[in-house]
Amino acid sequence: SAVISQKPSRDICQRGTSLTIQCQVDSQVTMMFWYRQQPGQSLTLIATANQGSEATYESGFVIDKFPISRPNLTFSTLTVSNMSPEDSSIYLCSVGDRGTNEKLFFGSGTQLSVL
Amino acid sequence: GEDVEQSLFLSVREGDSSVINCTYTDSSSTYLYWYKQEPGAGLQLLTYIFSNMDMKQDQRLTVLLNKKDKHLSLRIADTQTGDSAIYFCAESTGKLIFGQGTTLQVKP
Repeated sequence: SAVISQKPSRDICQRGTSLTIQCQVDSQVTMMFWYRQQPGQSLTLIATANQGSEATYESGFVIDKFPISRPNLTFSTLTVSNMSPEDSSIYLCSVGDRGTNEKLFFGSGTQLSVL
Repeated sequence: GEDVEQSLFLSVREGDSSVINCTYTDSSSTYLYWYKQEPGAGLQLLTYIFSNMDMKQDQRLTVLLNKKDKHLSLRIADTQTGDSAIYFCAESTGKLIFGQGTTLQVKP
Protein backbone atom coordinates (compact mmCIF):
# COMPACT_ATOMS: atom_id res chain seq x y z
CA SER A 1 0.00 0.00 0.00
CA ALA A 2 0.98 3.63 -0.42
CA VAL A 3 0.98 6.38 2.18
CA ILE A 4 -0.57 9.53 0.79
CA SER A 5 -0.39 12.89 2.53
CA GLN A 6 -2.70 15.68 1.50
CA LYS A 7 -2.78 19.27 2.63
CA PRO A 8 -4.52 21.32 3.64
CA SER A 9 -6.94 18.94 5.34
CA ARG A 10 -9.63 21.59 5.27
CA ASP A 11 -10.08 25.18 4.28
CA ILE A 12 -12.76 27.84 4.11
CA CYS A 13 -12.37 30.15 1.14
CA GLN A 14 -14.03 33.19 -0.30
CA ARG A 15 -15.84 33.16 -3.60
CA GLY A 16 -13.59 34.09 -6.52
CA THR A 17 -10.32 32.98 -4.91
CA SER A 18 -8.23 29.90 -5.72
CA LEU A 19 -6.91 27.09 -3.55
CA THR A 20 -4.04 24.74 -4.30
CA ILE A 21 -4.15 21.27 -2.75
CA GLN A 22 -0.94 19.31 -2.39
CA CYS A 23 -0.55 15.54 -2.54
CA GLN A 24 2.63 13.71 -1.52
CA VAL A 25 3.15 9.95 -1.95
CA ASP A 26 5.76 7.88 -0.16
CA SER A 27 6.76 6.01 -3.32
CA GLN A 28 7.25 6.82 -6.98
CA VAL A 29 4.12 6.34 -9.05
CA THR A 30 3.39 7.00 -12.70
CA MET A 31 -0.27 7.93 -12.34
CA MET A 32 -1.97 10.01 -9.69
CA PHE A 33 -5.71 10.61 -9.64
CA TRP A 34 -7.77 13.49 -8.35
CA TYR A 35 -11.36 12.87 -7.23
CA ARG A 36 -14.14 15.10 -6.00
CA GLN A 37 -16.77 14.06 -3.49
CA GLN A 38 -19.63 16.52 -3.29
CA PRO A 39 -21.67 16.61 -0.07
CA GLY A 40 -23.56 13.36 0.38
CA GLN A 41 -22.46 12.13 -3.03
CA SER A 42 -20.15 9.53 -4.49
CA LEU A 43 -16.68 10.13 -5.86
CA THR A 44 -16.16 11.55 -9.32
CA LEU A 45 -12.84 11.41 -11.12
CA ILE A 46 -11.60 14.88 -12.07
CA ALA A 47 -8.39 13.99 -13.87
CA THR A 48 -5.45 11.64 -14.16
CA ALA A 49 -2.03 13.23 -13.65
CA ASN A 50 0.96 11.60 -15.31
CA GLN A 51 4.46 12.81 -14.65
CA GLY A 52 5.93 14.56 -17.66
CA SER A 53 2.69 15.12 -19.57
CA GLU A 54 -0.51 17.11 -19.40
CA ALA A 55 -3.21 15.80 -17.11
CA THR A 56 -6.13 13.99 -18.70
CA TYR A 57 -9.46 15.49 -17.65
CA GLU A 58 -12.80 13.71 -17.42
CA SER A 59 -15.94 14.99 -19.05
CA GLY A 60 -17.22 18.05 -17.21
CA PHE A 61 -13.84 19.12 -15.86
CA VAL A 62 -11.49 21.58 -17.59
CA ILE A 63 -7.90 22.61 -17.10
CA ASP A 64 -8.72 26.29 -16.61
CA LYS A 65 -10.88 25.47 -13.62
CA PHE A 66 -8.77 22.65 -12.17
CA PRO A 67 -5.13 23.09 -13.23
CA ILE A 68 -2.92 20.21 -12.14
CA SER A 69 0.83 20.03 -11.74
CA ARG A 70 2.90 16.85 -11.60
CA PRO A 71 6.53 17.93 -11.24
CA ASN A 72 7.88 14.53 -10.16
CA LEU A 73 6.87 10.95 -9.44
CA THR A 74 5.87 11.54 -5.81
CA PHE A 75 4.03 14.86 -5.86
CA SER A 76 1.04 16.56 -7.47
CA THR A 77 -1.08 19.64 -6.91
CA LEU A 78 -4.67 20.41 -7.84
CA THR A 79 -5.83 24.01 -7.94
CA VAL A 80 -9.50 24.91 -7.66
CA SER A 81 -9.72 28.25 -9.46
CA ASN A 82 -12.18 31.11 -9.22
CA MET A 83 -14.17 29.25 -6.61
CA SER A 84 -17.90 29.38 -6.13
CA PRO A 85 -20.04 27.72 -3.42
CA GLU A 86 -20.71 24.86 -5.85
CA ASP A 87 -17.04 23.89 -5.52
CA SER A 88 -17.56 23.03 -1.84
CA SER A 89 -16.55 19.38 -1.73
CA ILE A 90 -13.96 16.95 -0.48
CA TYR A 91 -11.07 16.66 -2.91
CA LEU A 92 -9.12 13.41 -2.78
CA CYS A 93 -5.82 12.37 -4.23
CA SER A 94 -5.22 8.71 -5.00
CA VAL A 95 -2.68 6.34 -6.50
CA GLY A 96 -3.02 2.84 -7.82
CA ASP A 97 -1.28 -0.31 -6.68
CA ARG A 98 2.27 -0.51 -8.08
CA GLY A 99 1.66 2.40 -10.39
CA THR A 100 -1.42 0.96 -12.05
CA ASN A 101 -4.94 2.37 -12.03
CA GLU A 102 -6.21 -0.54 -9.93
CA LYS A 103 -6.72 -0.94 -6.17
CA LEU A 104 -6.60 2.77 -5.51
CA PHE A 105 -5.32 4.11 -2.23
CA PHE A 106 -6.63 7.47 -1.11
CA GLY A 107 -5.35 10.38 0.88
CA SER A 108 -7.47 11.67 3.74
CA GLY A 109 -8.86 14.39 1.54
CA THR A 110 -9.23 18.16 1.62
CA GLN A 111 -12.55 19.46 2.89
CA LEU A 112 -13.21 22.70 1.01
CA SER A 113 -15.98 25.12 1.92
CA VAL A 114 -16.57 28.16 -0.29
CA LEU A 115 -18.54 31.07 1.12
CA GLY B 1 -22.92 3.67 -19.89
CA GLU B 2 -21.07 3.02 -16.68
CA ASP B 3 -23.24 3.02 -13.60
CA VAL B 4 -22.95 1.57 -10.12
CA GLU B 5 -25.93 1.51 -7.79
CA GLN B 6 -26.29 0.78 -4.11
CA SER B 7 -29.00 1.13 -1.52
CA LEU B 8 -28.38 4.21 0.59
CA PHE B 9 -28.88 2.98 4.13
CA LEU B 10 -28.67 -0.18 6.23
CA SER B 11 -29.23 -0.53 9.95
CA VAL B 12 -28.27 -3.65 11.92
CA ARG B 13 -27.78 -4.65 15.52
CA GLU B 14 -24.34 -5.31 16.90
CA GLY B 15 -23.42 -8.97 16.45
CA ASP B 16 -25.71 -9.48 13.46
CA SER B 17 -24.49 -9.93 9.90
CA SER B 18 -24.69 -7.02 7.47
CA VAL B 19 -25.17 -7.48 3.75
CA ILE B 20 -24.57 -4.52 1.45
CA ASN B 21 -25.59 -4.93 -2.17
CA CYS B 22 -24.41 -3.32 -5.37
CA THR B 23 -25.24 -3.59 -9.05
CA TYR B 24 -23.01 -2.48 -11.88
CA THR B 25 -23.36 -2.22 -15.63
CA ASP B 26 -20.00 -2.82 -17.27
CA SER B 27 -19.43 -6.53 -17.82
CA SER B 28 -15.80 -5.88 -18.81
CA SER B 29 -14.84 -4.73 -15.29
CA THR B 30 -11.57 -6.35 -14.26
CA TYR B 31 -11.88 -5.83 -10.53
CA LEU B 32 -14.73 -4.87 -8.26
CA TYR B 33 -14.04 -3.11 -5.00
CA TRP B 34 -15.45 -2.28 -1.63
CA TYR B 35 -14.23 0.85 0.10
CA LYS B 36 -15.02 2.11 3.60
CA GLN B 37 -15.25 5.77 4.55
CA GLU B 38 -15.43 6.78 8.19
CA PRO B 39 -16.55 10.31 9.13
CA GLY B 40 -13.96 12.93 8.22
CA ALA B 41 -11.65 10.39 6.64
CA GLY B 42 -10.58 9.37 3.16
CA LEU B 43 -11.50 6.06 1.58
CA GLN B 44 -9.98 2.84 2.81
CA LEU B 45 -9.72 -0.10 0.41
CA LEU B 46 -11.56 -2.82 2.30
CA THR B 47 -11.45 -5.69 -0.15
CA TYR B 48 -11.71 -6.48 -3.83
CA ILE B 49 -12.53 -9.38 -6.09
CA PHE B 50 -11.20 -10.26 -9.51
CA SER B 51 -13.91 -10.59 -12.11
CA ASN B 52 -13.29 -14.30 -12.75
CA MET B 53 -14.00 -15.18 -9.12
CA ASP B 54 -17.41 -15.60 -7.55
CA MET B 55 -16.46 -15.44 -3.89
CA LYS B 56 -13.72 -14.07 -1.70
CA GLN B 57 -13.47 -14.36 2.07
CA ASP B 58 -11.24 -12.22 4.25
CA GLN B 59 -11.80 -12.68 7.99
CA ARG B 60 -15.25 -11.20 8.75
CA LEU B 61 -15.75 -10.04 5.17
CA THR B 62 -17.27 -12.14 2.39
CA VAL B 63 -17.61 -10.78 -1.13
CA LEU B 64 -19.98 -12.50 -3.54
CA LEU B 65 -19.97 -11.74 -7.26
CA ASN B 66 -22.70 -12.77 -9.68
CA LYS B 67 -21.38 -11.79 -13.10
CA LYS B 68 -24.50 -12.90 -14.92
CA ASP B 69 -26.66 -10.51 -12.92
CA LYS B 70 -23.84 -7.94 -12.45
CA HIS B 71 -24.45 -8.06 -8.72
CA LEU B 72 -21.86 -7.66 -5.99
CA SER B 73 -22.41 -8.01 -2.27
CA LEU B 74 -20.39 -7.48 0.88
CA ARG B 75 -21.25 -9.48 3.97
CA ILE B 76 -19.82 -8.41 7.30
CA ALA B 77 -20.12 -11.12 9.94
CA ASP B 78 -20.54 -10.24 13.63
CA THR B 79 -20.97 -6.54 12.84
CA GLN B 80 -19.43 -4.20 15.40
CA THR B 81 -20.08 -0.54 16.19
CA GLY B 82 -16.69 0.22 14.65
CA ASP B 83 -18.07 -1.00 11.33
CA SER B 84 -20.39 2.02 11.19
CA ALA B 85 -19.33 3.91 8.08
CA ILE B 86 -20.22 4.54 4.45
CA TYR B 87 -19.40 1.63 2.16
CA PHE B 88 -18.73 2.28 -1.51
CA CYS B 89 -18.84 -0.28 -4.25
CA ALA B 90 -16.69 0.45 -7.32
CA GLU B 91 -16.13 -1.15 -10.70
CA SER B 92 -12.92 -0.88 -12.68
CA THR B 93 -13.24 -0.03 -16.34
CA GLY B 94 -9.90 1.62 -16.91
CA LYS B 95 -10.91 4.02 -14.18
CA LEU B 96 -12.87 3.42 -11.01
CA ILE B 97 -16.58 4.17 -11.06
CA PHE B 98 -18.10 4.46 -7.60
CA GLY B 99 -21.61 3.87 -6.33
CA GLN B 100 -23.39 6.41 -4.15
CA GLY B 101 -22.37 4.66 -0.96
CA THR B 102 -24.36 2.73 1.65
CA THR B 103 -24.44 4.16 5.16
CA LEU B 104 -24.21 1.31 7.65
CA GLN B 105 -25.57 2.08 11.08
CA VAL B 106 -24.77 -0.43 13.81
CA LYS B 107 -26.95 -0.25 16.90
CA PRO B 108 -25.60 -1.53 20.21
